[in-house]
Amino acid sequence: DTAVSQTPKYLVTQMGNDKSIKCEQNLGHDTMYWYKQDSKKFLKIMFSYNNKELIINETVPNRFSPKSPDKAHLNLHINSLELGDSAVYFCASSLGLTQYFGPGTRLTVL
Amino acid sequence: DQQVKQNSPSLSVQEGRISILNCDYTNSMFDYFLWYKKYPAEGPTFLISISSIKDKNEDGRFTVFLNKSAKHLSLHIVPSQPGDSAVYFCAASNSNTGNQFYFGTGTSLTVIP
Repeated sequence: DTAVSQTPKYLVTQMGNDKSIKCEQNLGHDTMYWYKQDSKKFLKIMFSYNNKELIINETVPNRFSPKSPDKAHLNLHINSLELGDSAVYFCASSLGLTQYFGPGTRLTVL
Repeated sequence: DQQVKQNSPSLSVQEGRISILNCDYTNSMFDYFLWYKKYPAEGPTFLISISSIKDKNEDGRFTVFLNKSAKHLSLHIVPSQPGDSAVYFCAASNSNTGNQFYFGTGTSLTVIP
């Protein structure tokens, strides 16, 4: 009965590859997010969707493309991976002003 | 341009004593503040929040204090327990501009038994 789940938990890949991270929430929330936590532990928002519509799109390379097939899912696709993309990516959903986070996906680009 | 700062990366406290974690922000438009707790290999979990109309909010052993004039908030945990050992993130938002949250870099709390 996990509230916010992400797959995979770990992802190791070569530079230049394309990869996706999936996120699902079973809380019935309308808003979902993607955050990136870099090596300095700074947790920074990347995207936010409300009812499948993009509402926040921070300064993120266009190699990153979120996809929301329905309001319970927000997937993150990354093209042409670079070394600097190595980080932990967290998905979250919210009801009001409280966010619920997934366990994170540790992406390592070699 | 980090708008939320946690200047202490780590803190060690004896079990039973008070833990005080601090957070500073720069944007005077922030009106809602939250604390999250994070264990290794898990996502952050919501702990406690406070609106700018209050200066204190208490929930069991956890109390958050807000000083708007100083743009400072703090989380007090008393008494501290070994299970409180985790990374604590402060977050802030302007509730009028949508659900955009700004996080600090976290403070790693170790409660020594």
